[in-house]
Amino acid sequence: AQSVTQLDSQVPVFEEAPVELRCNYSSSVSVYLFWYVQYPNQGLQLLLKYLSGSTLVKGINGFEAEFNKSQTSFHLRKPSVHISDTAEYFCAVIISGGYNKLIFGAGTRLAVHP
Amino acid sequence: EADIYQTPRYLVIGTGKKITLECSQTMGHDKMYWYQQDPGMELHLIHYSYGVNSTEKGDLSSESTVSRIRTEHFPLTLESARPSHTSQYLCASSAPGQGSGSPLHFGNGTRLTVT
Repeated sequence: AQSVTQLDSQVPVFEEAPVELRCNYSSSVSVYLFWYVQYPNQGLQLLLKYLSGSTLVKGINGFEAEFNKSQTSFHLRKPSVHISDTAEYFCAVIISGGYNKLIFGAGTRLAVHP
Repeated sequence: EADIYQTPRYLVIGTGKKITLECSQTMGHDKMYWYQQDPGMELHLIHYSYGVNSTEKGDLSSESTVSRIRTEHFPLTLESARPSHTSQYLCASSAPGQGSGSPLHFGNGTRLTVT
């Protein structure tokens, strides 16, 4: 069965510091990869997606992620975080050829401190 | 700005009551989904729909039911609410065109508490 593992449940970081949120998936077939962000009391918002092509994907709010097929990873990075980046971040996978069945990781809570 | 709307945002209800969580989207998307989200846990798919008159159960067993009579509307119903149904319910939709790579658009969720 396919799964998504977010290696850190919480990541505390100081403002303006870089951050990396880690995500690994297990699948033997082609996948599409996504990162979503959830601010308090809101739904999920798409940050970025990898469908094909360049393995470095840029998203909104200065985030980027790199698809590494050999390591089955899709880590999210930002070179300098802001207080407003404090939120829950979810990595997700769609199995190619499926019906948009999105498999989510458990989420990583990013807490940015002044 | 959200083009997918969920009502109510918050609902506190007693055990045994029948409830319907509403979800509507104005984007003309054919695929719609319901996810259940508990704190600190991944989202679990409980229902999905490919289009009008099409509904399927997701990965997580749920006592809820759904209907899809109109493209834009995908309500979820609990015939008899129980405390174990306390959770956040997120509705989502996706467009055709990118095959199974189309991203999902989420509503803001309904936080249900059953007392």
